[in-house]
Amino acid sequence: GESVGLHLPTLSVQEGDNSIINCAYSNSASDYFIWYKQESGKGPQFIIDIRSNMDKRQGQRVTVLLNKTVKHLSLQIAATQPGDSAVYFCAENANTGNQFYFGTGTSLTVIP
Amino acid sequence: DAGVIQSPRHEVTEMGQEVTLRCKPISGHNSLFWYRQTMMRGLELLIYFNNNVPIDDSGMPEDRFSAKMPNASFSTLKIQPSEPRDSAVYFCASSLLTGVQPQHFGDGTRLSIL
Repeated sequence: GESVGLHLPTLSVQEGDNSIINCAYSNSASDYFIWYKQESGKGPQFIIDIRSNMDKRQGQRVTVLLNKTVKHLSLQIAATQPGDSAVYFCAENANTGNQFYFGTGTSLTVIP
Repeated sequence: DAGVIQSPRHEVTEMGQEVTLRCKPISGHNSLFWYRQTMMRGLELLIYFNNNVPIDDSGMPEDRFSAKMPNASFSTLKIQPSEPRDSAVYFCASSLLTGVQPQHFGDGTRLSIL
């Protein structure tokens, strides 16, 4: 029979370009968000986080933007490199303990 | 610093057999999480512990699944008897309990049930 799996959004960018990965979260009570990067054969790796009292947070080559009005989160990667190729997940916490809910992920491919 | 350590990295076994997955959290972390990842369902939380006590096991699919945390540095996830549909990558993660903290993941156990 036909198998149905998750439809993983994909994004392909040229090396050196900037990447933007988007995430729509579900719970308006969520107040803490994390972006994870998962490379093939490895576990999700923490990239950057943001709390709901902020709209923007910057790290090394990465920026996270939070729009609480439309429940939208984005991850911007500057000067994308081949090593950035991975699946990126957003995770939200609704202050109900330390349990996070993960999105389905976006697959980023960097073209050399 | 040592991260979350999972063993084995790969496990292939026949259906009906008992499978035990192991996890050593980051030293000092007092919350531990077990996840399952599949193409069909993505990343699912199975169970988590705070200070070695199970807090929420509502994600455990069936009674065939059980998890224990006998001390702060060790946890097991057991499947007995195993079935082909249990094939997945199982991740363990740990975090500090103070406030809301990021979870740090191990590299997973890839489980194949034949």
